[in-house]
Amino acid sequence: DAGITQSPRYKITETGRQVTLMCHQTWSHSYMFWYRQDLGHGLRLIYYSAAADITDKGEVPDGYVVSRSKTENFPLTLESATRSQTSVYFCASKGHFDTEAFFGQGTRLTVV
Amino acid sequence: AQKITQTQPGMFVQEKEAVTLDCTYDTSDQSYGLFWYKQPSSGEMIFLIYQGSYDEQNATEGRYSLNFQKARKSANLVISASQLGDSAMYFCASDTGTASKLTFGTGTRLQVTL
Repeated sequence: DAGITQSPRYKITETGRQVTLMCHQTWSHSYMFWYRQDLGHGLRLIYYSAAADITDKGEVPDGYVVSRSKTENFPLTLESATRSQTSVYFCASKGHFDTEAFFGQGTRLTVV
Repeated sequence: AQKITQTQPGMFVQEKEAVTLDCTYDTSDQSYGLFWYKQPSSGEMIFLIYQGSYDEQNATEGRYSLNFQKARKSANLVISASQLGDSAMYFCASDTGTASKLTFGTGTRLQVTL
């Protein structure tokens, strides 16, 4: 299916474990983003990517790692999950000439 | 750095009435975009409307319009003829730079009543 998809939709993990959230888009958009949504904060940018192999930090990058070896995929890894990383994570993508970014359905991550 | 302020945590409006959701922004950039997204209870982020900083006319999309007042740095969303399906969280956002990274406000939860 065309679009942007995130997996898994829901994830429960334990403190200290590594977890990877996947994001895949079929539009060949140049830009991809990871945001986290927390009550009282809206959505905050974690990392973004302007193209394959080009990534940069956003507002809240600590504790996260990203990679982008292919244009269509932009996985987000929590190397050692902490309870403060319990959140809803949104991936988004945007074409170079698009006005708006397109969001995935979100991944609800709970760290226990 | 950009900052978006939404001062209304929650709003109520009666069906068929119009409602204005407030948004103010702070940026030192000359060129920027302003966005509104809707997040229903199902959780997805739905793009509603966009206003460019150089656009002289207020943006409109169906029942949505963006009241852009550049001097006051405000970008309020007006929803006309509210419907029950408009009940959702609404986020104001701005973008900057070539990557169009978005900065979001904290959101306004709108409840439409009969």
